[in-house]
Amino acid sequence: DGGITQSPKYLFRKEGQNVTLSCEQNLNHDAMYWYRQDPGQGLRLIYYSQIVNDFQKGDIAEGYSVSREKKESFPLTVTSAQKNPTAFYLCASIQQGTYGYTFGSGTRLTVV
Amino acid sequence: GESVGLHLPTLSVQEGDNSIINCAYSNSASDYFIWYKQESGKGPQFIIDIRSNMDKRQGQRVTVLLNKTVKHLSLQIAATQPGDSAVYFCAENMGDGNKLVFGAGTILRVKS
Repeated sequence: DGGITQSPKYLFRKEGQNVTLSCEQNLNHDAMYWYRQDPGQGLRLIYYSQIVNDFQKGDIAEGYSVSREKKESFPLTVTSAQKNPTAFYLCASIQQGTYGYTFGSGTRLTVV
Repeated sequence: GESVGLHLPTLSVQEGDNSIINCAYSNSASDYFIWYKQESGKGPQFIIDIRSNMDKRQGQRVTVLLNKTVKHLSLQIAATQPGDSAVYFCAENMGDGNKLVFGAGTILRVKS
């Protein structure tokens, strides 16, 4: 079945550590997105990529980095510069010419 | 499971009743709107969408109404079932890079 796979489902990070969240899709979608979700708030855009080897900052990109070396993959690195990384992270993708995302099942990151 | 929206508005309805969830959007230039359903600990799922040139669209048990004059969107769920319990988000497609801007969400609780 086609879809978006995020891994791991739960991730624990120590202070000062970088961690990478995986997002893979087999939908042949062109564009991919990373959102952050905090309790009591809607989803906020971190980074997005419309084509391979190109990506743009969203509203809250500070402390995060991404790469888009393959169409299927859009990993997100949460760096030590992100001071409040505990959140639920959602990856999404969309085919050009359509308007609604397909979401992955999310990764819950907790700082310990 | 994880609680996504600790401080979100909550709508409690009796099983079998109709539910109406409301959303105010921000950009009068947005041309596409979507409702998503998110169950605890999962990614959002597409429910129904509507273009800005329409004021009503119906799906299976769901209807979306769009009032562009007051920038208001509503989701009506007929004969609400326990499985409808979730957080519901509206989103507007700003057109720029297909970025979606999400509302804060509404918790729907269905009482049996």
